[in-house]
Parts: sequence; structure tokens; C-alpha cells
Amino acid sequence: QKEVEQNSGPLSVPEGAIASLNCTYSDRGSQSFFWYRQYSGKSPELIMFIYSNGDKEDGRFTAQLNKASQYVSLLIRDSQPSDSATYLCAVVAARNSGGSNYKLTFGKGTLLTVNP
Amino acid sequence: DTGVSQDPRHKITKRGQNVTFRCDPISEHNRLYWYRQTLGQGPEFLTYFQNEAQLEKSRLLSDRFSAERPKGSFSTLEIQRTEQGDSAMYLCASSWAGATQYFGPGTRLTVL
Repeated sequence: QKEVEQNSGPLSVPEGAIASLNCTYSDRGSQSFFWYRQYSGKSPELIMFIYSNGDKEDGRFTAQLNKASQYVSLLIRDSQPSDSATYLCAVVAARNSGGSNYKLTFGKGTLLTVNP
Repeated sequence: DTGVSQDPRHKITKRGQNVTFRCDPISEHNRLYWYRQTLGQGPEFLTYFQNEAQLEKSRLLSDRFSAERPKGSFSTLEIQRTEQGDSAMYLCASSWAGATQYFGPGTRLTVL
């Protein structure tokens, strides 16, 4: 079982719609969860992080965390063509959180295409 | 510009040559990470520094790879005797405390 799993997509949504990106993780004790956006040929750009169960909103983005289900999601409201990118889910495993090494374990990413 | 910087942005080399990449973290960030990303995959952890100490290395980091952060500021990643399988994007990230990491633009390595 992969540590962090994402649907590779592509996920295609029309402009103005809500895009929903999902991620599951295997380490039940994981504490820190991140979403990065990566445009083709570029490096990952941090969008949001979430540590506690529930929702966290930042502008058009909402991260949702359910530790019991080991599930984290990212909702993008009013999707724009400029949101077209690969979205990477990253997790800090519990075995790392207790020390100082917060190495990120990434999923393969979900390719999102927003159609005008 | 106060972000993470990496140099060079692109490197093309022949198999068997040595290459060295540099990363300058965000000022005063004490944690520095190296990752490698191949096409269609998420970044994979290579190694981690806290200040000048290299505290963890992935098993992905063969003995041909070495990394340093001599004064706790910039870091270098050297690959000796490059192989075609080393072709990838090499990413550097830094953080101050906790897990929130900011990535540099990456160095894209092509081994011919």
C-alpha cells in the first residue's frame, strides 16, 4: 500500500465550478497535511496546510481533514483556467513528527484541467 | 527576492560526469531538504539538514550522492559518475520550524 494515494486524473471541470481533489494516507498517526500546486515544468507551490480535523478555508480554497478515515481533500471554488495544474498531497508521517525531520511524503498528484 | 533559490536551473551532462547543484534557502530557515522528482511522480525525499548537520538520508541516496551544508546556510548536492537514471528534477526546500516547507525552482538534470 502506497503511503499517500491520489487519483492521478485528469480531473476536468468547467470554469466556475467546484473542483474536488482527494487524498488518502496510510500512516494513521500522521499529523501534518499539505497541498501543493505544481504547474508543468515548475516546482511545487504551497497552497494550504491543515493539522486538525475539519475544514480550513483560505480564499477560494478549502482543505478538509478526516483523521479517522485517513482522508484529506482540497476544494477549489469558482475554478479558473489558471488553476489548471497538478495538485500534490503531502503528509508528514507520525514516525517523523516526533523528531525534527518533517520530511514530506507525496502522492503522485492529480492533474486538474479547468475548461473555459 | 527572499525565496529559495537553486542553481543551475538546468544541467545537461554526459553519463559518467560529476555534477553539483546549489541551494540557497530562505534566510534564517534552519531546516533544508533535498527531494528528487521524476516525470509523473511526486517528489521523493533525499536528505535533510538541520543547520549544518545532515540528520537523515534516504536509501535513494546512493554512495554516488553527497550533500553538504557547511555553514548552515546554502547547501550543495553532488552526484558522482552520473547515470541516465539520475535524470530528474532536483528540488530543494527550506523551513524554519515545523513542517511547512517552501520549494525552490528546482534543477532539472538530463544525463545523456
